[in-house]
Amino acid sequence: AQTVTQSQPEMSVQEAETVTLSCTYDTSENNYYLFWYKQPPSRQMILVIRQEAYKQQNATENRFSVNFQKAAKSFSLKISDSQLGDTAMYFCAFTQYNNNDMRFGAGTRLTVKP
Amino acid sequence: ETGVTQTPRHLVMGMTNKKSLKCEQHLGHNAMYWYKQSAKKPLELMFVYNFKEQTENNSVPSRFSPECPNSSHLFLHLHTLQPEDSALYLCASSQDVRDSPLHFGNGTRLTVT
Repeated sequence: AQTVTQSQPEMSVQEAETVTLSCTYDTSENNYYLFWYKQPPSRQMILVIRQEAYKQQNATENRFSVNFQKAAKSFSLKISDSQLGDTAMYFCAFTQYNNNDMRFGAGTRLTVKP
Repeated sequence: ETGVTQTPRHLVMGMTNKKSLKCEQHLGHNAMYWYKQSAKKPLELMFVYNFKEQTENNSVPSRFSPECPNSSHLFLHLHTLQPEDSALYLCASSQDVRDSPLHFGNGTRLTVT
């Protein structure tokens, strides 16, 4: 069974600085997708970034980038130039190819301080 | 405005009540999902519907009964719930059940007394 582990229940960062959120996963599959979702106080889960396992290049979306280490089964999220609006719960998630049974980690609560 | 709308936003019900949660998506997606989010636990997939047909039921107790009358609407009927069923219930949709990102609603915060 696939599992997703986020070892940092809470983190904080000063505005404009950079923070990295950790995620590891366990799977025997070779083809899969990895995601980071953000859940602000509004409760809506919003897709931040997505990575296909077959792609060696790390995905980037503006201030958000990932460090995907397939052999180590690690998928960390780096937020650059942190903004107050980045304060939220961040969830790492995994799905196999051709399957939308998405497995989530327990989440990391990120607080951006002014 | 979110493309996935859930109502009600909050719900308090007794263990003997019957209530329903509603989800509507305006994205033209073919797949819809119910997730349960409990405090300090990973999201749990409950049900998956693809083109109105249920494709997954993750060993959910029968006191939760889903209904999908069309690809745009999804309901979760609740009856004889337990206090441990108190949680945030999230609805999501995706273009299909293969390889397409999930779009979530704002959830219904359910409290069972």
